[in-house]
Amino acid sequence: DQQVKQNSPSLSVQEGRISILNCDYTNSMFDYFLWYKKYPAEGPTFLISISSIKDKNEDGRFTVFLNKSAKHLSLHIVPSQPGDSAVYFCAASSSRGAGSYQLTFGKGTKLSVIP
Amino acid sequence: GAGVSQSPSNKVTEKGKDVELRCDPISGHTALYWYRQSLGQGLEFLIYFQGNSAPDKSGLPSDRFSAERTGGSVSTLTIQRTQQEDSAVYLCASTPSGGLAKNIQYFGAGTRLSVL
Repeated sequence: DQQVKQNSPSLSVQEGRISILNCDYTNSMFDYFLWYKKYPAEGPTFLISISSIKDKNEDGRFTVFLNKSAKHLSLHIVPSQPGDSAVYFCAASSSRGAGSYQLTFGKGTKLSVIP
Repeated sequence: GAGVSQSPSNKVTEKGKDVELRCDPISGHTALYWYRQSLGQGLEFLIYFQGNSAPDKSGLPSDRFSAERTGGSVSTLTIQRTQQEDSAVYLCASTPSGGLAKNIQYFGAGTRLSVL
């Protein structure tokens, strides 16, 4: 059973417009959420994160929103740029004890920004 | 090095052969993770090392898979008697110690394994 779900495998957006990537989770023990970006033939790179005690975190063009009651988070990119074209993974973190953490990843959403 | 280094970047092998994949984490990072990404899938957790503690092997799909981490640094993932379903990108990540920074995992570029 998938604990982190990204229901849209792909998304196309016009350059300059807003991209909205969605993620749902089922495990209420998750207390930290991250978005990773992955280009072909490269490893995922950390993009932005949010703690469960917040509902919004902004970093430049990227904003992550968290709705705990709905167990839903979203990543907004505005304005979208062609260089943002990549696969975006949502990940959720839970403590495994002794100061260490486990990440559970969604399947990813491929974003294509059209010039 | 500046980032997580994995080798080889690509590996083609015949069914039934053993393979070894190497990960060199960021210097000073205490935790190391192995993941597998099959085509069209998310990242599947395989194994986790934290310092000198016993590794968490709960994600290993079968006893053909094993991993070790020598001296708290370099890790090797070994797949014995490879099968075609083992074909995937194998990713390694490491995390620094301290606070919420532990949650951010830094990934290598991965090893693309193709079993013919």
